Amino acid sequence: DVQLVESGGGFVQPGESLRLSCVASGFTFSDYDMHWVRHPPGKGLEWVSAIGGTGDTYYPDSLKGRFTISRENAKNSFYLHMNSLRAEDTAVYYCARATYSSTSLVYWGQGILVTVSS
Amino acid sequence: DIQLTQSPSSLSASIGDRVTITCQASPDISNFLNWYQHKPGKAPKLLVSDASNLETGVPSRFSGSGSGTDFNLTISSLQPEDIATYYCQQSESLFTFGPGTKVDIK
Repeated sequence: DVQLVESGGGFVQPGESLRLSCVASGFTFSDYDMHWVRHPPGKGLEWVSAIGGTGDTYYPDSLKGRFTISRENAKNSFYLHMNSLRAEDTAVYYCARATYSSTSLVYWGQGILVTVSS
Repeated sequence: DIQLTQSPSSLSASIGDRVTITCQASPDISNFLNWYQHKPGKAPKLLVSDASNLETGVPSRFSGSGSGTDFNLTISSLQPEDIATYYCQQSESLFTFGPGTKVDIK
């Protein structure tokens, strides 16, 4: 069975950094694009970033520069490095696996809460 | 950038009602449109991919249609377990989610 497990969330102050991790199992990790999606309280889902199997990265314009996605295929893991965190980055962050065609997100982690507050 | 709008933003319907949620894309995204169901405290669930392909295990009362700029998600007979927020998502250019439609029971 496919499993995705996030870790690294928590409470941070504005301006601080945080790294989220997602460990995957149940599939050949290097074959798939992996994504981060977040859900701020009271708002809708927001796509955060994606990384291809060989390391090409993608971001929405709104998050370019502060967030960096990376992966370690040997560890079946990928990461979200978040810098200069703001209150509006407070959200539940989900890691997700794309389909083989990379057009939809078929498997999701349980989500992890990041709270940015002074 | 591709923009997605959804209507309505929320709806209340009775058990057994037919419910339709609309997603409009600008510009044209062909059939690169997916639908997700999101319940509080749970991970989102992919319901429909490529505009009209029902995912394995999703009840047949759900269906997707449309192409280009106009898409629909229909629930043919609303059930209590369908209470959730529904999002469309495009993958024609990077990924974008629509603003969501909250569905509850009247």
